[in-house]
Amino acid sequence: AQRVTQPEKLLSVFKGAPVELKCNYSYSGSPELFWYVQYSRQRLQLLLRHISRESIKGFTADLNKGETSFHLKKPFAQEEDSAMYYCALLYSSASKIIFGSGTRLSIRP
Amino acid sequence: ETGVTQSPTHLIKTRGQQVTLRCSSQSGHNTVSWYQQALGQGPQFIFQYYREEENGRGNFPPRFSGLQFPNYSSELNVNALELDDSALYLCASSPGTSGGRFGAGGTDTQYFGPGTRLTVL
Repeated sequence: AQRVTQPEKLLSVFKGAPVELKCNYSYSGSPELFWYVQYSRQRLQLLLRHISRESIKGFTADLNKGETSFHLKKPFAQEEDSAMYYCALLYSSASKIIFGSGTRLSIRP
Repeated sequence: ETGVTQSPTHLIKTRGQQVTLRCSSQSGHNTVSWYQQALGQGPQFIFQYYREEENGRGNFPPRFSGLQFPNYSSELNVNALELDDSALYLCASSPGTSGGRFGAGGTDTQYFGPGTRLTVL
């Protein structure tokens, strides 16, 4: 069955420290993966998608098919990165998308 | 350009009642998706509509139904409400440039509304 797992409910790091938000997926086909972010009192919004291979706000995520992971990374955390982050798997063959349960990232000054 | 709007903001119903939630898509978007987000969980996909037709559905019972209108606004209807239906309901619109296929090629970005908080007593 298709599944997205974000093992950490809360991740707290100091400003300037590296950040890695973990995401593992279960899907037998060719996955399309996304990271969504929700800042305090704002709407859920797309942060980045794996096929674009882009860096947004200093964040990158690499799809590792061998480990079935799509971890979100940033080398130097900033206070404005504090938010809720959701990993999502799209399996377009079924026109469905699955979200993980989310990780709350808290950046300490 | 206006963003996605949802109404009402909050709603309280009792078990067994029926509810209709509304969503206005972002200007120029012809695809809308609905999600249920329980407290402490990620959004769960309910269904998607593209050009007024259901285009994909998650694991929700038939008492969850929807409509998309010619102006691409949308409704989510839930019949025979249960306590577990208490949640934040999100809608998201997208341009439908992928012919309605869900994010095919990753070209369609979803734009989310603020949500409707439904409480079932």
